[in-house]
Amino acid sequence: EVQLVESGGGLVKPGGSLRLSCAASGFTFSSYSMNWVRQAPGKGLEWVSSISSSSSYIYYADSVKGRFTISRDNAKNSLYLQMNSLRAEDTAVYYCARDLDYGDYWGQGTLVTVSS
Amino acid sequence: EIVLTQSPATLSLSPGERATLSCRASQSVSSYLAWYQQKPGQAPRLLIYDASNRATGIPARFSGSGSGTDFTLTISSLEPEDFAVYYCQQRSNWPPPWTFGQGTKVEIK
Repeated sequence: EVQLVESGGGLVKPGGSLRLSCAASGFTFSSYSMNWVRQAPGKGLEWVSSISSSSSYIYYADSVKGRFTISRDNAKNSLYLQMNSLRAEDTAVYYCARDLDYGDYWGQGTLVTVSS
Repeated sequence: EIVLTQSPATLSLSPGERATLSCRASQSVSSYLAWYQQKPGQAPRLLIYDASNRATGIPARFSGSGSGTDFTLTISSLEPEDFAVYYCQQRSNWPPPWTFGQGTKVEIK
């Protein structure tokens, strides 16, 4: 059974940092691109970042470029999102999603709240 | 960057009725479009991919159609569990690889 489990969310002050993790199981993690998608409270879905299976291709939304870094460890079946210089508008539930051109599997999400 | 516009924002229907949701792209996305369902407190669930293919385990009452810039998700007869928010998403070989529409809420009338 495919499972994606996010962790690392929490309350952080503006300008602070957080590192999100996504633990994958039930499939060959190293064969798939992965994505982070976020959803602000009461709002729609916003794609944040993508990483290819071997980390050769990495993309970011303009809203997070220069502040967020996506990475993965295929040996540990894990995906990461390092978030620096956090802003109030980064407050959202962050989902990791497997990329089969579309998001065929999603984690349950982890809430990031940026507030003083 | 391709923009996806969904309509209507809210659809008020009764169980058993037919639901028709629209997604329009600002430029052609060929058939590279998906539909997701999201219920409160849950992650999105893939319903339709490549415009018209049902994902694994999705009931036959869900169908997708369209190509180019105009796409439709149809729910032939609404079940109580179908009341949710629906998003379209396009995939691209150029960044950004994923773009979502703003969503359509299907609510009980």
